[in-house]
Amino acid sequence: DGGITQSPKYLFRKEGQNVTLSCEQNLNHDAMYWYRQDPGQGLRLIYYSQIVNDFQKGDIAEGYSVSREKKESFPLTVTSAQKNPTAFYLCASSMVNSDQPQHFGDGTRLSIL
Amino acid sequence: QKEVEQNSGPLSVPEGAIASLNCTYSDRGSQSFFWYRQYSGKSPELIMSIYSNGDKEDGRFTAQLNKASQYVSLLIRDSQPSDSATYLCAVPPNSGYALNFGKGTSLLVTP
Repeated sequence: DGGITQSPKYLFRKEGQNVTLSCEQNLNHDAMYWYRQDPGQGLRLIYYSQIVNDFQKGDIAEGYSVSREKKESFPLTVTSAQKNPTAFYLCASSMVNSDQPQHFGDGTRLSIL
Repeated sequence: QKEVEQNSGPLSVPEGAIASLNCTYSDRGSQSFFWYRQYSGKSPELIMSIYSNGDKEDGRFTAQLNKASQYVSLLIRDSQPSDSATYLCAVPPNSGYALNFGKGTSLLVTP
């Protein structure tokens, strides 16, 4: 079955630590996205990528980094510079066409130890 | 003006009633519109896409689009408690391709 796999489902970060969230898709989508969702809040775009080896900052990129070395993979690193990382992180993908919807993975819930 | 606006709710309807969820958008050039359902603690799930004026029906769900008035609605007929969730409206941006999401409307269907 085609889909988007995020791992881990739950992640705990210690102070000063960088952590990486995985996102893999087998939908053959060119575009991939990372969102952050805080309790009772909407989705906020962190980074997005249209093509391998290229990505753009979204609305809240500070304290985060990404890479896009393969079409199928778009990992997100939450760095120690992100002082309030506790949130629900969602990865999505889509065809590169404004008429196409985005499809989401199951999410990773990140908490501070 | 925010690009996509939704009433945050909660919208409470009795079981069996019609739930009506509304969304307004600012970009007159938008051509496609999406509704997502998000259960508490889960990720958003695409439930409807609509591209042209008028109604589109899929089971108990009907999406209604009025481009002249810049709004899109989602009607849920015969509402069930399992429909209780947050419903997100999404519209493509006028530049780029990351969808603009509304903050969502919380729906509660009471038995």
